[in-house]
Amino acid sequence: GNSVTQMEGPVTLSEEAFLTINCTYTATGYPSLFWYVQYPGEGLQLLLKATKADDKGSNKGFEATYRKETTSFHLEKGSVQVSDSAVYFCALSHGGRRALTFGSGTRLQVQP
Amino acid sequence: DADVTQTPRNRITKTGKRIMLECSQTKGHDRMYWYRQDPGLGLRLIYYSFDVKDINKGEISDGYSVSRQAQAKFSLSLESAIPNQTALYFCATSDTRLAGAHNEQFFGPGTRLTVL
Repeated sequence: GNSVTQMEGPVTLSEEAFLTINCTYTATGYPSLFWYVQYPGEGLQLLLKATKADDKGSNKGFEATYRKETTSFHLEKGSVQVSDSAVYFCALSHGGRRALTFGSGTRLQVQP
Repeated sequence: DADVTQTPRNRITKTGKRIMLECSQTKGHDRMYWYRQDPGLGLRLIYYSFDVKDINKGEISDGYSVSRQAQAKFSLSLESAIPNQTALYFCATSDTRLAGAHNEQFFGPGTRLTVL
């Protein structure tokens, strides 16, 4: 079946540091890939997505590239801010009925 | 106003009680979902509905039931709550009639349920 594996957190960084959160997936064919973000006390919001191999999704300074050869969709940001502190979820959508499969989430803490 | 709302936002109940969590949406989407979130486990799908007459079990449906009363409303019930159902519950919607949507889902704010 489909699965998503994320690096365990928490990830603690200083403001303006470079961020990478690793995500790899298992699925047949070509799923769509997503990063969702959950701020404290809130529901999940879509951060970015990519729907085919080599696509790059980007939003709010975050980027992720759909790498079919390594089955990965790593999230990156060049300079994090305190306001980026949140839990980040990698997810995939695959199959005709298109349910989402989520990773376990990675908590990011950015210190001033 | 929020597009996807959930009531209640917090609930504490006792083992054996029947509980209903409600979800409403104003987005006009056809598909609705219920997930639970547990620390370290991400979100797991409980039930999903593609329209009023199409309801499907997710990966962890045991102990839960749902009702799609209208396109805009999707309720989750715990017939006899038990402590390991203590979790954060999220409702989500999507509209696969939108070209290129690729099942982007929109989430409600969540309901924190505690079963004592």
